[in-house]
Order: sequence, then C-alpha cells, then structure tokens
Amino acid sequence: EAGVVQSPRYKIIEKKQPVAFWCNPISGHNTLYWYLQNLGQGPELLIRYENEEAVDDSQLPKDRFSAERLKGVDSTLKIQPAELGDSAVYLCASWRERVLDTEAFFGQGTRLTVV
Amino acid sequence: GQQLNQSPQSMFIQEGEDVSMNCTSSSIFNTWLWYKQDPGEGPVLLIALYKAGELTSNGRLTAQFGITRKDSFLNISASIPSDVGIYFCAGQRAGTSYGKLTFGQGTILTVHP
Repeated sequence: EAGVVQSPRYKIIEKKQPVAFWCNPISGHNTLYWYLQNLGQGPELLIRYENEEAVDDSQLPKDRFSAERLKGVDSTLKIQPAELGDSAVYLCASWRERVLDTEAFFGQGTRLTVV
Repeated sequence: GQQLNQSPQSMFIQEGEDVSMNCTSSSIFNTWLWYKQDPGEGPVLLIALYKAGELTSNGRLTAQFGITRKDSFLNISASIPSDVGIYFCAGQRAGTSYGKLTFGQGTILTVHP
C-alpha cells in the first residue's frame, strides 16, 4: 500500500509570510498526526485527528498555526505568519485503529526554512 | 514536552559490533515503538511492543518491553554501515487516549567501516 504522502518536501519563505503543508494519510487510517521536529530532537505532537475531529491540539500554537482535515482524509497545516523559530521539519503520520495496535507511520516530512 | 529519556545520545562504533540503547520514563507505558530516521526522511517503524516483558526481533534488531512498563531497550547485532541513522523510541503512556505517542530525544548511531 502507498505510504503517507506529504508535500512539499522543502519550503523556504520569508518571515511573516504564510505557508501551508499538505498530507495524504495511508488509505483507511482514521487517525492523523502532525508533528514538529526540531534539529536534533524527537518529534513533538502538534495536533491529532480522529477522522475529521481534532482530538488533541493542546500543543498547537493557535495564534499562528491552524489545521484542518476535511472529509477525514487529507489534511493541511498552515502557519500565518511564519516566524524564524518555525524553521523545522513538519511530519505527518497516520494510524489505523485496531485492538492492541498502536503503529504510526510517517511521511517524509516537509522541511521549512524561514529566512 | 517529551517525557521519555533515551540514552545514549550518540554512539560511534565499528562495523560488526553490537549496539544497545534504551528508553526510560517515570510513567507507565502501554506500548513501546522503535523508529529509525535517515537524514531527510521521516521515521520508519522498526519494532512495536505491546506487553510487559515482550521480546521481539526484526532481523538483527531485538527490542524488549520492560517488566516495570517504564522502559524499553533496542539491540542491534553485528552492525553494518547502513545502520547509521537516528533511532527514536516512542510510547503510548498509560492513561492517555489511544494513539497518543510520546517520543524520546533520539540516539545518533555512527558505524565506522
């Protein structure tokens, strides 16, 4: 089966500009995650969706970050306006709910550079 | 913030050597996952563990779910150059909603030919 697909792979923008990332999860996976990964660190959760519903967005900086998952499939993550400190890799992951099964599969990520 | 302590932070070994890394927490976990991340790529799942004491292998990789449910380790036997990368542990903490994962800081592995 196809894996988690993210685009773009790389993005360079000037500070204060908006940016959006797109994620297409594995077919049939109802749970979708957006993670932030800073250099030399492990991924940190930004938001988790169960189908269309955002069930955990406590780590999402809502003043500038927003996300949506219309129809419970694809998702977009937006930053407006971007700041220098937002430079990082943004990872999308998906997981299909099964008993005793918590295996999240990741996309390749979008590397954002804010200049 | 992260709640898993992963060690060591980095390792430099010779090809053919065995490697061991671990992850600990003050909290109890229901699931432990081990991922490998190559430069410019997303993490790839290596091994998943669901029961305390469980020992699971995937080729030269072996991982165990600690009896206390507060730790896990990953061993790599007879390392080869393509083992180079960053290894992350991740877990679902008991009492959190299903599917909520916490990640360790990663172990950077370098293998010298």
